[in-house]
Amino acid sequence: DTAVSQTPKYLVTQMGNDKSIKCEQNLGHDTMYWYKQDSKKFLKIMFSYNNKELIINETVPNRFSPKSPDKAHLNLHINSLELGDSAVYFCASSRPGQFNEQFFGPGTRLTVL
Amino acid sequence: DQQVKQNSPSLSVQEGRISILNCDYTNSMFDYFLWYKKYPAEGPTFLISISSIKDKNEDGRFTVFLNKSAKHLSLHIVPSQPGDSAVYFCAATSTQGGSEKLVFGKGMKLTVNP
Repeated sequence: DTAVSQTPKYLVTQMGNDKSIKCEQNLGHDTMYWYKQDSKKFLKIMFSYNNKELIINETVPNRFSPKSPDKAHLNLHINSLELGDSAVYFCASSRPGQFNEQFFGPGTRLTVL
Repeated sequence: DQQVKQNSPSLSVQEGRISILNCDYTNSMFDYFLWYKKYPAEGPTFLISISSIKDKNEDGRFTVFLNKSAKHLSLHIVPSQPGDSAVYFCAATSTQGGSEKLVFGKGMKLTVNP
């Protein structure tokens, strides 16, 4: 059983397009995260949601909008894609206060042409 | 600014020998440290952690050492096995404030040769 799943795994698109990446976790966790791993390999947190409520927003451009329809899902919408958005995006989840137990999805490799 | 630094991008060791992966941090508010392991095309998986109230935590072949005065931690793997070949990320957080934010280093690629 997949604990944290992301779709799609690969996404290739043109500059200026709008795209979404979906994330679902079946672990019953309350907290979900989006991370970005850029070309320099740094893994940086973008957003964190706890029970559908935004708790971390790391100065991400407002072209990026997370949406949590329920606590098992945290989708990432990106408007007006730019070349610099090319990266691998990871979704993760954890129980509150158990940040050491962050479970990551397999990642979505986004390429903006 | 890099608050968590893994200055060596790669390490190659022979099977059966010890692997030592190093990590430095700059933020004195960090009080909890973690190591994650990542295989290609997969997400990172939690490996081992240590609280700042300890200087050592051991789990099987994996031991993490923390030197708070030097703001340095290391992960020891002994004996190393070919299946340990992966990218290892050091991460740190502050348990005060409740943001549950992890700050990651940029990773170190470990290759264990048979």
